[in-house]
Amino acid sequence: GAGVSQSPRYKVAKRGQDVALRCDPISGHVSLFWYQQALGQGPEFLTYFQNEAQLDKSGLPSDRFFAERPEGSVSTLKIQRTQQEDSAVYLCASSTSGGVANTGELFFGEGSRLTVL
Amino acid sequence: GQQVMQIPQYQHVQEGEDFTTYCNSSTTLSNIQWYKQRPGGHPVFLIQLVKSGEVKKQKRLTFQFGEAKKNSSLHITATQTTDVGTYFCAGEMWGAQKLVFGQGTRLTINP
Repeated sequence: GAGVSQSPRYKVAKRGQDVALRCDPISGHVSLFWYQQALGQGPEFLTYFQNEAQLDKSGLPSDRFFAERPEGSVSTLKIQRTQQEDSAVYLCASSTSGGVANTGELFFGEGSRLTVL
Repeated sequence: GQQVMQIPQYQHVQEGEDFTTYCNSSTTLSNIQWYKQRPGGHPVFLIQLVKSGEVKKQKRLTFQFGEAKKNSSLHITATQTTDVGTYFCAGEMWGAQKLVFGQGTRLTINP
C-alpha cells in the first residue's frame, strides 16, 4: 500500500474487554514500531520488531500488552483486560532501516484511538 | 532511562513572527529526528541530524544539532498559518534501536 495502515481507527471498549489493533506497514519495511500517545503528550515507545523478531519490548506497560508480527509484515497489538488508563492513541510506524543505532525515518499510520469506559 | 525534554510546551505567535523549540537529551545521541503533527493527524518526518554541530535548512526551517550531540533546536522564520501543529524531537541512543520522543511544542498562530 501507499502508507502504513492501521485498523480500527476508533475502538471503544468496556473495562475488562480484550482488544486487538492491527498494523499493515509499508511493503518491504524491515522495522516496525508501536507507540502509545496520550492526549497532549509525545509518543511513548512500546515495542520494536525487525522482520518477525521482537527485539525490544521494554516499553510495554504490563503483561496485559502483547504484540506479534508472525510473518514479518502485518503486526497486531493486543491488550487484555483493558483498563481506563489504556485509553490513548496507538501509533504504528515502519522504516526501511534495520541498522544499528539508526532507525531511519519513521512512517506513521493514522493511529488507533482506544477509549476504555 | 533516556529522557528527551522539549521546551516550551506551548508557543503562540503572530503570523510572520519567528518560532524556536529546544530539545535536550539526558544522554548522548547517535542521531536526532524532528517530526510535525498537525491537529488530529499523525507525526510526519521532517529531518534527521547525525553529525555533531550539524545545521540543516528546509526553506524557512533551520535545524541544529549540538556539538555534544545532546541538544537540538528547530527555528522557523516568519511563521505562516500552515506551520500550525506540534513539533516533536526524537532522539536515538547508540544501540537502542528506538526513538525517544520529547513532549512536543504546540505552535498556534494568530493570522
